[in-house]
Amino acid sequence: GAVVSQHPSRVICKSGTSVKIECRSLDFQATTMFWYRQFPKKSLMLMATSNEGSKATYEQGVEKDKFLINHASLTLSTLTVTSAHPEDSSFYICSPSPQGRGRGSYNEQFFGPGTRLTVL
Amino acid sequence: QKEVEQNSGPLSVPEGAIASLNCTYSDRVSQSFFWYRQYSGKSPELIMSIYSNGDKEDGRFTAQLNKASQYVSLLIRDSQPSDSATYLCAVPPLRGGADGLTFGKGTHLIIQP
Repeated sequence: GAVVSQHPSRVICKSGTSVKIECRSLDFQATTMFWYRQFPKKSLMLMATSNEGSKATYEQGVEKDKFLINHASLTLSTLTVTSAHPEDSSFYICSPSPQGRGRGSYNEQFFGPGTRLTVL
Repeated sequence: QKEVEQNSGPLSVPEGAIASLNCTYSDRVSQSFFWYRQYSGKSPELIMSIYSNGDKEDGRFTAQLNKASQYVSLLIRDSQPSDSATYLCAVPPLRGGADGLTFGKGTHLIIQP
């Protein structure tokens, strides 16, 4: 499988602060990056999809001004949770993909180790 | 709107027995399916992918796909305590690659020593 790193693995912050999460694909170039979040005892929910060098596409109900995604290079994407609140406490997981839009058959998707965010 | 349904469990299976995990999906044109294992506090790990009707075996794991019934299952033979985890069924987007996976809620599997 692909090697993906995420940093930090765990973060605790006060309400109102911003938190940046980094995701790196270490052994391939990620033209597409998926960001998921998972609340306790719930399944993964896709938050947004970004392609390198372009703006992210957000899923319904996900505020683009609150969850800022930067995908400036093929090996690094960041998710910034701005003005975090306790309801943003969740497990955030990135998934880099070598695919771009319109390509052929779907490849397996691999995940980063995740970032546990706790907002007090 | 694609839906992926799984029984949340917990499913309790004695060690050494066969664990059977089931998943149904609503999108008739889905072409590929994935099973992920997720340990508590960890991110999902891909364990099986299946694209064609029938069975696909990999070690102790067998995935079964029936597109006509919109049903995919995962069998784990000779279950071990280390198999205790949540198993997520996932379906990719149509026409490849434009969107992320749609996950079921997961089945919590407990292997009893």
